[in-house]
Amino acid sequence: DVKVTQSSRYLVKRTGEKVFLECVQDMDHENMFWYRQDPGLGLRLIYFSYDVKMKEKGDIPEGYSVSREKKERFSLILESASTNQTSMYLCASSLEGSIQYFGAGTRLSVL
Amino acid sequence: AQSVTQLDSQVPVFEEAPVELRCNYSSSVSVYLFWYVQYPNQGLQLLLKYLSGSTLVKGINGFEAEFNKSQTSFHLRKPSVHISDTAEYFCAVSALSNDYKLSFGAGTTVTVRA
Repeated sequence: DVKVTQSSRYLVKRTGEKVFLECVQDMDHENMFWYRQDPGLGLRLIYFSYDVKMKEKGDIPEGYSVSREKKERFSLILESASTNQTSMYLCASSLEGSIQYFGAGTRLSVL
Repeated sequence: AQSVTQLDSQVPVFEEAPVELRCNYSSSVSVYLFWYVQYPNQGLQLLLKYLSGSTLVKGINGFEAEFNKSQTSFHLRKPSVHISDTAEYFCAVSALSNDYKLSFGAGTTVTVRA
């Protein structure tokens, strides 16, 4: 089975802090994704990566950056957390094509 | 670009009753279609997918969906639900030419009552 692991289930941070969300997949997938999930809005793509050190902006990249130094790891970075970034963050990976495998999510609260 | 509309945000249903979750999509190109399920406090899990071939697609846990190109719909059905089907369900679409990028609907919360 594909396993996508997000390092934290719950995080509480203060406004202005730098926040790192980590995601690791164990199936040698090329593609990795970061989404945020908000009630009534579904999932919105923040960034994705199709190879090591390669990244592309998704639909809502403002206020976020990403890092992919190794194939299995994809990090989402909030340079200066704000209260409107309080959300559920989901990481996903895929080998090719559209079938994405998701982690359990990180619920981030910014106070 | 592709977009997805899930027509019902909440669907309450009694145990052993049938359920249908409606999904319409918009796209100027051919698409792949998906249904994902999210159980409480978990990530998303693929229920079923339409890539090509038969328009009636069967998935896990007794779910099925029918692709209707003329109506741009991909409705999800189950003939008899269980309490354990209580979850949020997401319809998603990707373009054949850009198949790694999914667009999701807003989700439908199904609550199954005894």
